[in-house]
Amino acid sequence: AQSVTQPDIHITVSEGASLELRCNYSYGATPYLFWYVQSPGQGLQLLLKYFSGDTLVQGIKGFEAEFKRSQSSFNLRKPSVHWSDAAEYFCAVGAGTNAGKSTFGDGTTLTVKP
Amino acid sequence: EAQVTQNPRYLITVTGKKLTVTCSQNMNHEYMSWYRQDPGLGLRQIYYSMNVEVTDKGDVPEGYKVSRKEKRNFPLILESPSPNQTSLYFCASSLGLAGPVDEQYFGPGTRLTVT
Repeated sequence: AQSVTQPDIHITVSEGASLELRCNYSYGATPYLFWYVQSPGQGLQLLLKYFSGDTLVQGIKGFEAEFKRSQSSFNLRKPSVHWSDAAEYFCAVGAGTNAGKSTFGDGTTLTVKP
Repeated sequence: EAQVTQNPRYLITVTGKKLTVTCSQNMNHEYMSWYRQDPGLGLRQIYYSMNVEVTDKGDVPEGYKVSRKEKRNFPLILESPSPNQTSLYFCASSLGLAGPVDEQYFGPGTRLTVT
């Protein structure tokens, strides 16, 4: 069965500092990976996705993520955090052979200090 | 504007009183899905639909029903709500001829309280 683990429940960074949010997945074949962001009181918005090809993917709002098959990881990064990045971030894996099933991690809440 | 809409946005009800949360998308998407979000548990998939008249269980289907009679609509039905179904519910859709491999577009959420 597929699964997603986000080891960090809560992360606090200073504005302007770099950010890395961790995501580990378990999946039998090549995974389809996503990062979504949820601002307070809002729905989820896609930041970026990985299907195949270049393992470093660029997303919106200056985010990027790197797929590392050997580590079963898909960590999200941003070189310089802005106060507006404070939100909850979800890593997700989409099904391939289990077409239809979608699994999300428990989420990481990001707080940005002035 | 391309969007997923849900109604109602907020609902307080009592145990056992049947309710329906509607979901509609205007993007001609094949795939639709329902999730519930609870603190510390992320999003858990309740049901999904690959196409009209095709639905299947997600990870937490107990106590819920769905139907997909038209491509644009995917209502979530709670026949006899219980307090443990108090949650924030999201509907999502994707172009998804291959299921949720495509990115999903989420509705604004429905906050349900069952007393």
